[in-house]
Amino acid sequence: GQNIDQPTEMTATEGAIVQINCTYQTSGFNGLFWYQQHAGEAPTFLSYNVLDGLEEKGRFSSFLSRSKGYSYLLLKELQMKDSASYLCAVRDNYGQNFVFGPGTRLSVLP
Amino acid sequence: EAGVTQFPSHSVIEKGQTVTLRCDPISGHDNLYWYRRVMGKEIKFLLHFVKESKQDESGMPNNRFLAERTGGTYSTLKVQPAELEDSGVYFCASSQNPSYNEQFFGPGTRLTVL
Repeated sequence: GQNIDQPTEMTATEGAIVQINCTYQTSGFNGLFWYQQHAGEAPTFLSYNVLDGLEEKGRFSSFLSRSKGYSYLLLKELQMKDSASYLCAVRDNYGQNFVFGPGTRLSVLP
Repeated sequence: EAGVTQFPSHSVIEKGQTVTLRCDPISGHDNLYWYRRVMGKEIKFLLHFVKESKQDESGMPNNRFLAERTGGTYSTLKVQPAELEDSGVYFCASSQNPSYNEQFFGPGTRLTVL
């Protein structure tokens, strides 16, 4: 079956670093995506990993270990505007749909 | 460049009525996807078009749901007759060909069935 797990909620302080974990079990694997979604808005693309290792993109980094079925999203120098839901999604086959995790609601406090 | 657009943004209907949701993908994107998120659950895949053809419709919940993409441009998703459990947010996404690129999501249509 398809299963993706993420923590439901996290809280962090402005200026801090937070790591959001994602574990997955899917029938196939062709890439893992992280999306950010503010309430009432469209999910927006943050990062993409298909090979093991760390991908860095400004304040955001994403890590993948395919052998462990594990990824994390690292957010540095947190800002209030980073308060949002963060969605982990796995593309299970070439050109096919995403399987989404439940999302992690991050609250950044002053 | 305009993003993925969806219409309407909100729809409130009564059980048994029909509703049609529309999605306009980013121009030039051959791949169009429908997803939905029911209350408290994760976003779930419904179906995938490549141009006007249904590539994968394994996520469609039942035959009350009909998706079309005539001409390979915009797509419609019709629910007939609507049931209470159909309430949720329906997202559309599109991607370029080849389809291993990221998917660009629309803002969603919030459907409430009373």
